[in-house]
Amino acid sequence: DAKTTQPPSMDCAEGRAANLPCNHSTISGNEYVYWYRQIHSQGPQYIIHGLKNNETNEMASLIITEDRKSSTLILPHATLRDTAVYYCIVMDTNAGKSTFGDGTTLTVKP
Amino acid sequence: SQTIHQWPATLVQPVGSPLSLECTVEGTSNPNLYWYRQAAGRGLQLLFYSVGIGQISSEVPQNLSASRPQDRQFILSSKKLLLSDSGFYLCAWSPGTVNTEAFFGQGTRLTVV
Repeated sequence: DAKTTQPPSMDCAEGRAANLPCNHSTISGNEYVYWYRQIHSQGPQYIIHGLKNNETNEMASLIITEDRKSSTLILPHATLRDTAVYYCIVMDTNAGKSTFGDGTTLTVKP
Repeated sequence: SQTIHQWPATLVQPVGSPLSLECTVEGTSNPNLYWYRQAAGRGLQLLFYSVGIGQISSEVPQNLSASRPQDRQFILSSKKLLLSDSGFYLCAWSPGTVNTEAFFGQGTRLTVV
């Protein structure tokens, strides 16, 4: 599985959009980009995933660059409950078989 | 709907004692199952995964072992715990198909003293 690089921490004002970047320059053609988040002392929660097209669901949007070497997770209107560690990982067919890096700690401030 | 159960939530064990953590999945059949460990403030490290009963793959050498005695049951064990085995252990499952996400349990916080 390809490795990913994320900033260790980010702040965001409540109600504003949170844009979390991720670099995955060694991603291969059959690998998907997945985003999870982990609130303190809980299991990670799935957010969204995509292959090459941009994706949107009720939680977030995922923007993947045309060369697929990076992506951005967008939380359109961040709330205090979005404070968590956000993990970007890439995986191929085995959806859970990956190592999560240290992620980005997002702090949403009032 | 599918659910994953992992217990206990917290565990304090002395060095040299055995360990058994259990994880069960409901509402699905033939899931892929995973054990992860997370050190404080760090990401998740995959320890074991299983694609079927009795089929276990180990990702890193360690003092732990895993077993899958039933389709939806995954057990993490150790014969003798080390201090370095302390951490947050997470069980997860995913459907055995492409383009699906993994679902995590709530974790077990193990402290070896």
